[in-house]
Amino acid sequence: AQSVTQLGSHVSVSEGALVLLRCNYSSSVPPYLFWYVQYPNQGLQLLLKYTSAATLVKGINGFEAEFKKSETSFHLTKPSAHMSDAAEYFCAVSHPQGGYNKLIFGAGTRLAVHP
Amino acid sequence: DTGVSQNPRHKITKRGQNVTFRCDPISEHNRLYWYRQTLGQGPEFLTYFQNEAQLEKSRLLSDRFSAERPKGSFSTLEIQRTEQGDSAMYLCASSWKQGYEQYFGPGTRLTVT
Repeated sequence: AQSVTQLGSHVSVSEGALVLLRCNYSSSVPPYLFWYVQYPNQGLQLLLKYTSAATLVKGINGFEAEFKKSETSFHLTKPSAHMSDAAEYFCAVSHPQGGYNKLIFGAGTRLAVHP
Repeated sequence: DTGVSQNPRHKITKRGQNVTFRCDPISEHNRLYWYRQTLGQGPEFLTYFQNEAQLEKSRLLSDRFSAERPKGSFSTLEIQRTEQGDSAMYLCASSWKQGYEQYFGPGTRLTVT
């Protein structure tokens, strides 16, 4: 079955430290990949996407992610965490077998940033 | 571009009642999606429309659920005979076309008592 795994339901970093949120997908064919952020009681905001162009993707708010086919991974990073980055982050895939229609989401990683 | 809007933002209802939610997508977007998100989980796909045609429905969408997009613009999601297990955040998203990024609304949080 096609799925998305986010390792670590909670990640805590210090302000200014590197942020690394992990995402692995399972698919025989490279899918489209997305990272979304969700603040409390709000909808999801797109951070960045991979759609088979450059493997290193830059997004908003200083985030970037690298698509690694050999590792079936799409980890999200940010060099220096800000307090405002505290939120829930979701990795999602859209599969060619499904016509790139629906998104399949991971369970999410809650990022805490402490002073 | 005012983004995707959803109404109401919150709905509390008693078990057995019917509820209806509305989603207004970004105006030039042809595709509209509904997802359900329960506490501590990622969103799960329910259904999607291309213009007014409903092209796919998840097995999560039981016969108590019905979605429409009558004129290819706004969409409604109705839940009949609500159950406590229906309590969740219902998210709507839209995209320009197949494969393009989906933009999400703020969601409707349903609580069934």
